[in-house]
Amino acid sequence: NAGVTQTPKFQVLKTGQSMTLQCAQDMNHEYMSWYRQDPGMGLRLIHYSVGAGITDQGEVPNGYNVSRSTTEDFPLRLLSAAPSQTSVYFCASSYGGSLTDTQYFGPGTRLTVL
Amino acid sequence: AQKVTQAQTEISVVEKEDVTLDCVYETRDTTYYLFWYKQPPSGELVFLIRRNSFDEQNEISGRYSWNFQKSTSSFNFTITASQVVDSAVYFCALSEALRSNYQLIWGAGTKLIIKP
Repeated sequence: NAGVTQTPKFQVLKTGQSMTLQCAQDMNHEYMSWYRQDPGMGLRLIHYSVGAGITDQGEVPNGYNVSRSTTEDFPLRLLSAAPSQTSVYFCASSYGGSLTDTQYFGPGTRLTVL
Repeated sequence: AQKVTQAQTEISVVEKEDVTLDCVYETRDTTYYLFWYKQPPSGELVFLIRRNSFDEQNEISGRYSWNFQKSTSSFNFTITASQVVDSAVYFCALSEALRSNYQLIWGAGTKLIIKP
């Protein structure tokens, strides 16, 4: 049971490039989400999904796209990278999206946009 | 407005000292959950505890204890007899029933440094 996995661990992009951050979980969790972590700000929700085929925006969705074609995978796409997207990205999952469910996090992807 | 406030940006103590990390939250919900997560230098986020708004009993787990007081909207975390391995950034987070996606609202974190 690998839990939540993320790839890559590190990535450097040039402004304007696009890329996809991968996230997968093997716990059959319905709820998955993407957060970004910036210094001194805690984590902020980018997008989330309550199940395959269903996604919605979080607090800071601009510049990011997501899709959820399977229960296991929830990739995050940066359409045209900007320096403001330099951050650490965490993917999380939980059994359901309810208030009581604990979210479990992947190891994170450290992204630098030059 | 900041909904989860961790006023202590950084705390440094000597090993074996007790240390308390403060968390103050703001919500109009009567149903909510509070969480603590640990982020060690390796970067992963480790779940520590979840507490619902109807349960004000203090929680103890080994050297860790949590004090939840609704009267002061606080959910403080105490480490007794601290160890170097406790060095990490600790985050307090809130999940509110009225939010449709039950997203976690995070504090800015407290960096805890335990000196040998």
